[in-house]
Amino acid sequence: GAGVSQSPSNKVTEKGKDVELRCDPISGHTALYWYRQSLGQGLEFLIYFQGNSAPDKSGLPSDRFSAERTGGSVSTLTIQRTQQEDSAVYLCASSQGGWGTHSYEQYFGPGTRLTVT
Amino acid sequence: AQSVTQLDSQVPVFEEAPVELRCNYSSSVSVYLFWYVQYPNQGLQLLLKYLSGSTLVESINGFEAEFNKSQTSFHLRKPSVHISDTAEYFCAVKVSVSNFGNEKLTFGTGTRLTIIP
Repeated sequence: GAGVSQSPSNKVTEKGKDVELRCDPISGHTALYWYRQSLGQGLEFLIYFQGNSAPDKSGLPSDRFSAERTGGSVSTLTIQRTQQEDSAVYLCASSQGGWGTHSYEQYFGPGTRLTVT
Repeated sequence: AQSVTQLDSQVPVFEEAPVELRCNYSSSVSVYLFWYVQYPNQGLQLLLKYLSGSTLVESINGFEAEFNKSQTSFHLRKPSVHISDTAEYFCAVKVSVSNFGNEKLTFGTGTRLTIIP
């Protein structure tokens, strides 16, 4: 079946511009996660959605970062006024589960490579 | 909070030789443990996981890892490596008690395994 998909695969933007990154999770997966992979910081957690709610957004690095999820499916990560240190690969993952249960395996998408010039 | 340490950033190994990739973790609560693999230009894939029960877990492609609670380790081993094992390997932990807000994975910094023909 279809895995987690992300778009765009690559994004080059100028410093100060806003960008939107999209994630389509595996159909039926209620949990969705955003991570960031960068040379200096490794793999960092950004935010977790259960349905359309975000019980854990502790990893968002600043108020320039926001994310939403609609219809319990697609999620968008928005970075406002991009900075060079935002350059990284942004990974989305999804897993099964719901309130009171959790699934142990997170399935990752191919990522969006963001380059801020 | 949890943390994961992968002391070896790069490990070169001759083909058909054994390999061990080290992973140590720190947590004040019980955790689940994972190894993810990232092949060149691909996304993260789950290699194996420890949830409970037998402390030795195996993957379908010959890797195994052993959970050692006293040493807080989850080292990854393979008795004979192949060229196709060239990849980056990430150790990760997740708290084992779900409370809706702690579903994230905490990753180590990764170990790049290079197989030498």
